[in-house]
Amino acid sequence: SYELTQPPSVSVSPGQTARITCSGDALPRQFAYWYQQKPGQAPVLVTYKDSERPSGIPERFSGSSSGTIATLTISGVQAEDEADYYCQSLDSNAPLFGGGTKLTVL
Amino acid sequence: QVQLVQSGAEVKKPGASVKVSCKASGYTFTSYDINWVRQATGQGLEWMGWMNPNSGNTGYAQKFQGRVTMTRNTSTSTAYMELSTLRSEDTAVYYCAKVFEKAQDAFDIWGQGTMVTVSS
Repeated sequence: SYELTQPPSVSVSPGQTARITCSGDALPRQFAYWYQQKPGQAPVLVTYKDSERPSGIPERFSGSSSGTIATLTISGVQAEDEADYYCQSLDSNAPLFGGGTKLTVL
Repeated sequence: QVQLVQSGAEVKKPGASVKVSCKASGYTFTSYDINWVRQATGQGLEWMGWMNPNSGNTGYAQKFQGRVTMTRNTSTSTAYMELSTLRSEDTAVYYCAKVFEKAQDAFDIWGQGTMVTVSS
């Protein structure tokens, strides 16, 4: 079955740039969406349609997609960005989530 | 403000059913689909299905076909998700989520989550 593959963990120092990838064969044809989830909280949409940002999301969050890889980039990482990040796309018109990536801010 | 408020935690025995509610406020309930997503402890997000609050039309993930029912009460702007024949693997936090106006394949407003524990 179709899967979206993310690295289990990414670590970065404050002020540096974090890049979280999401791999999926259908990504050339389907948009990618990214969510941030902090412990005990519901997910928050941080980017949509590959590279758009909802209102209220800081500019340091950006998305991109090329071929079968979608990437969430967090520039100038802050301690508050430590969280789990999930990509989401579609599989036969049904939402599908990646396995999640834990971002650790060192 | 736009929000979804879910019902409280539930403890159920294997084989029982659970019905979780999701009350919408701050927007026109019938204008946006409601989806349900669950998350087992320490695990990722799993999509369960969608419901159109205007028509009542639904679509369920294949995994949950025959066990899940999504309904709504438009007079109270409340969506419901009922899961039957519960087993221990159904222990999870269940979220309702509203589709995003600018991208209806994404979810911009989520409920706070409802913990469902299945245990004998």
